[in-house]
Formats: sequence, C-alpha cells, structure tokens
Amino acid sequence: DAGITQSPRYKITETGRQVTLMCHQTWSHSYMFWYRQDLGHGLRLIYYSAAADITDKGEVPDGYVVSRSKTENFPLTLESATRSQTSVYFCASTGVVQGAPGYTFGSGTRLTVV
Amino acid sequence: GENVEQHPSTLSVQEGDSAVIKCTYSDSASNYFPWYKQELGKRPQLIIDIRSNVGEKKDQRIAVTLNKTAKHFSLHITETQPEDSAVYFCAASNVGNTPLVFGKGTRLSVIA
Repeated sequence: DAGITQSPRYKITETGRQVTLMCHQTWSHSYMFWYRQDLGHGLRLIYYSAAADITDKGEVPDGYVVSRSKTENFPLTLESATRSQTSVYFCASTGVVQGAPGYTFGSGTRLTVV
Repeated sequence: GENVEQHPSTLSVQEGDSAVIKCTYSDSASNYFPWYKQELGKRPQLIIDIRSNVGEKKDQRIAVTLNKTAKHFSLHITETQPEDSAVYFCAASNVGNTPLVFGKGTRLSVIA
C-alpha cells in the first residue's frame, strides 16, 4: 500500500488559513479522489479527477480547490479553513494498470481547524 | 446521482456467530459493489467486491450477494472472530463513469 501516500498525517490550523493536503500515487492510476470522513456521514466525495487537468466536483465541494497537473499528484486545498472542515481526509486512486491494485485509499490526514 | 443506504448502523454478535450487513442502491446503472473494512484509526481496505454480472462471491468466511432486481447487496461474515470487529462500508459505482458512493457504515462488534 506504499503506492499511495498522503501528507501530512496530522494538521492543526486556524480558521481562515489556507491549507493544502497532498496525495501522491505511484501506480499511474488515471483516477484520483478526495473523500472526507465524519462520524455519522461515512465517506463523502469532495472532488475527483479522471486524468491530468480533468477534475470534477463531488458531493461536498464547497470550500475546497483541487488541481492535477501531473498524473501522480492530486493536492486538495482549503482556501480559507472553517471549523466545519475539521475531518479526516482520505485520498484514493484507481485505474486499469496491470499489476496495480484497484480502488485504494491513502492513510488519511486528520485535520483540525481551531 | 447514486444513493447508497446501509443497515444496520451498529451490530453486535457473539464470537462464532454470523453477521449480515445489507445495502441498497438507487442507480440501476451501477455495476460494481465493493465492501471495505476500516479498523480504528486506519484507512478503509477492500475486503471483497462483486460486479453486476455475478450473483454471489465468496472468499473464505466472507461472502457477498447481489440482487440486481431489488437493487440490494449484502455482506455475510461467518464464524466471526474478535478481529472482525471494525466498521464496514458498502459502496456502489458505474465503473469507468462514476466514483464510488459509500454507505454510512456499520460498526460490527464481535463479543468473545
């Protein structure tokens, strides 16, 4: 599972600050996703990308920005963090690549906005 | 879009008993139905999946069944063990067209 990594693992930030969560995968998966996990809500899709320079909104995109200039990276930016964005964020990737696993999650980033 | 409902939200079973978790989906175009297990503080990990051209799939103590007509699928765990205690998520998607949509999870507790 070292093929998809997230950083940082933990982050505390102040309300109004900009923060970027990083996601990197080594399988050359075409698809990458950002989910947030909150108690009682399961995993909710924020944004996803089908390929470099192609991104789409998910269920809860407000307050987030993504980019994908390279296939292997899919950073998630909170432009002005709010307390409601306190959550655990998971990046995932999938694609049809021989020898690579299917839909796989990173280890997550626990973000606290104070 | 797709909507996935999962029941129950919590489930307690005695060690050795079976556990069943049920999910329903709304989009008839969905054709891929994975199940994930998430232990406390860890990432969700795929434990079994099924595609719409198959009605049942089994892997040791774990099985998944799919009823396309009724749009529901279930996870069955037999001979439960304490290490099966975790949160389980079902999901659905139309492979190649839509991202996975997850149910809200079931917290399974296996009591020794």
